[in-house]
Amino acid sequence: GAGVSQSPSNKVTEKGKDVELRCDPISGHTALYWYRQSLGQGLEFLIYFQGNSAPDKSGLPSDRFSAERTGGSVSTLTIQRTQQEDSAVYLCASRQQFHSYEQYFGPGTRLTVT
Amino acid sequence: TQLLEQSPQFLSIQEGENLTVYCNSSSVFSSLQWYRQEPGEGPVLLVTVVTGGEVKKLKRLTFQFGDARKDSSLHITAAQPGDTGLYLCAGADSSYKLIFGSGTRLLVRP
Repeated sequence: GAGVSQSPSNKVTEKGKDVELRCDPISGHTALYWYRQSLGQGLEFLIYFQGNSAPDKSGLPSDRFSAERTGGSVSTLTIQRTQQEDSAVYLCASRQQFHSYEQYFGPGTRLTVT
Repeated sequence: TQLLEQSPQFLSIQEGENLTVYCNSSSVFSSLQWYRQEPGEGPVLLVTVVTGGEVKKLKRLTFQFGDARKDSSLHITAAQPGDTGLYLCAGADSSYKLIFGSGTRLLVRP
């Protein structure tokens, strides 16, 4: 079956611009996670959506970062007024809600802020 | 704050050798997962361990979860060049958020 998809695969933007990153989870997976992978920082949690519950935003590094999930499926991560330190690979993962620990990752979006 | 220390960071070995990667924490995790990541791709799940003391085998890979569910190890027997990649351990908290180790970059030389 189809895995987690993310778009775009690469994004180059100028400092100060806003960007939107998209994640399409595995069909039927109700939990969706965003992570960021950068050199020297490893993989870090950003935000978590579970069904209709309020998202867990505890990992968002600043108020320039926000995310939404429409219809319990597709999610968009938005970074406003991008900074060079935002350059990283942004990874999305989804998980089946019940009886499952496993998270399945998309290929990521490589964001470069110039 | 839960942290996972993974070691070694880099490992370069000859084909046929054995190796062990360690993942340690002072925190208890509800589960621990091992991933492998290739350049330009997302992490691919290898195994999930849940029960303290659990051992799982995946061909030449053996995964162990510590009795106290604070640490884990990955042992590869007779490594092959195809095993080359970045290996990541990740502990799950009560809401299944993953806390990742820093990764072990493995190079298996033919």
